[in-house]
Amino acid sequence: GQNIDQPTEMTATEGAIVQINCTYQTSGFNGLFWYQQHAGEAPTFLSYNVLDGLEEKGRFSSFLSRSKGYSYLLLKELQMKDSASYLCAVRDAYGNNRLAFGKGNQVVVIP
Amino acid sequence: DGGITQSPKYLFRKEGQNVTLSCEQNLNHDAMYWYRQDPGQGLRLIYYSQIVNDFQKGDIAEGYSVSREKKESFPLTVTSAQKNPTAFYLCASSPLGAEAFFGQGTRLTVV
Repeated sequence: GQNIDQPTEMTATEGAIVQINCTYQTSGFNGLFWYQQHAGEAPTFLSYNVLDGLEEKGRFSSFLSRSKGYSYLLLKELQMKDSASYLCAVRDAYGNNRLAFGKGNQVVVIP
Repeated sequence: DGGITQSPKYLFRKEGQNVTLSCEQNLNHDAMYWYRQDPGQGLRLIYYSQIVNDFQKGDIAEGYSVSREKKESFPLTVTSAQKNPTAFYLCASSPLGAEAFFGQGTRLTVV
């Protein structure tokens, strides 16, 4: 099975940097995904890590340590439109495409 | 246009009635998923399928049923055995091992 843990809420100022953490325990691992979800809408894909290290994609970066069962999403130059819930999801081992999500972290951006 | 379509967007049903939520994709994805989201919560996995005519239970399968007779379609039935069915239901699809793409969701209210 999979157990995924995220802190629940944080507030940050426009233009700042925020780091959202995710820890996981899983019997098998074949990738970690980050999604953004605005209230009442479907999640949209942000980033994917399967090997250790940092993946950078514009203002968003994601880091993975498989040995620690840990990932973070870094949001730089925060904008008001970044106010959303950020979800991490873990895919089970290759051959089993089970995809489980954490509870999400609500980020509120203030002027 | 390629995509994943859920219908209807809003659904009202009387307590004790079964209801079926539609999910169709024309992305040629092998894997499909159903999630439930309650207010302020993350996504909980109900069922998933990797291939036609095969599916697996997720974390909260009780009171739900699915079928996967065609690659494009993965309907979810919420049965009268589901004790608290009012929720936001999200369907997703993915190529095996890659990120999932979501439909716009169905908001089910049982009165």
